[in-house]
Amino acid sequence: GAGVSQSPSNKVTEKGKDVELRCDPISGHTALYWYRQSLGQGLEFLIYFQGNSAPDKSGLPSDRFSAERTGGSVSTLTIQRTQQEDSAVYLCASSLGQFGISPLHFGNGTRLTVT
Amino acid sequence: AQTVTQSQPEMSVQEAETVTLSCTYDTSESDYYLFWYKQPPSRQMILVIRQEAYKQQNATENRFSVNFQKAAKSFSLKISDSQLGDAAMYFCAYRTYSGGGADGLTFGKGTHLIIQP
Repeated sequence: GAGVSQSPSNKVTEKGKDVELRCDPISGHTALYWYRQSLGQGLEFLIYFQGNSAPDKSGLPSDRFSAERTGGSVSTLTIQRTQQEDSAVYLCASSLGQFGISPLHFGNGTRLTVT
Repeated sequence: AQTVTQSQPEMSVQEAETVTLSCTYDTSESDYYLFWYKQPPSRQMILVIRQEAYKQQNATENRFSVNFQKAAKSFSLKISDSQLGDAAMYFCAYRTYSGGGADGLTFGKGTHLIIQP
């Protein structure tokens, strides 16, 4: 597609439920990032995929969070047993490569609200 | 690890005037990249401008320009002839030369820019 696509745009869930957030990066982009942005805050790194390499999971806040990237393209971020503090906007970004000059292209994010 | 500091949580400017958003960073590297991203209420982060550290010439994109002071580790964004559509959160970002991974890209906490009509 023309840009990074994220779905759903908004998600409301009850505390304790599992949620899946989807990211479809720009075709050909080998690098994919997930970030979390709490209200009025900056971006918190969650996880990074580069090609077929093992992902960098160092930003995941707890073992309730996991992500996978199938076929080097679409990625799914899963949050199990959601908590109210998980409420945030989850942003996905992709870039052409891991080299520094390649800018990140972001999706519109998924706003997650845990009630 | 690198750090990026945006000391102005909020800035306000009259439409058609010029505003400068500040950004400083801390690094021991000599080669790196700097970016400014804009995030309007639509939530999508949009690349505004980027600068390679090895280039002395300041980057310019239409009404947007940067003042890159490598020795001072400063990377400010100047918006000329401010327009209502410029209202957004602006994030400064640092990326290492190799680019990848958690430490490859660091964002500041953002500056909320308000445009007064």
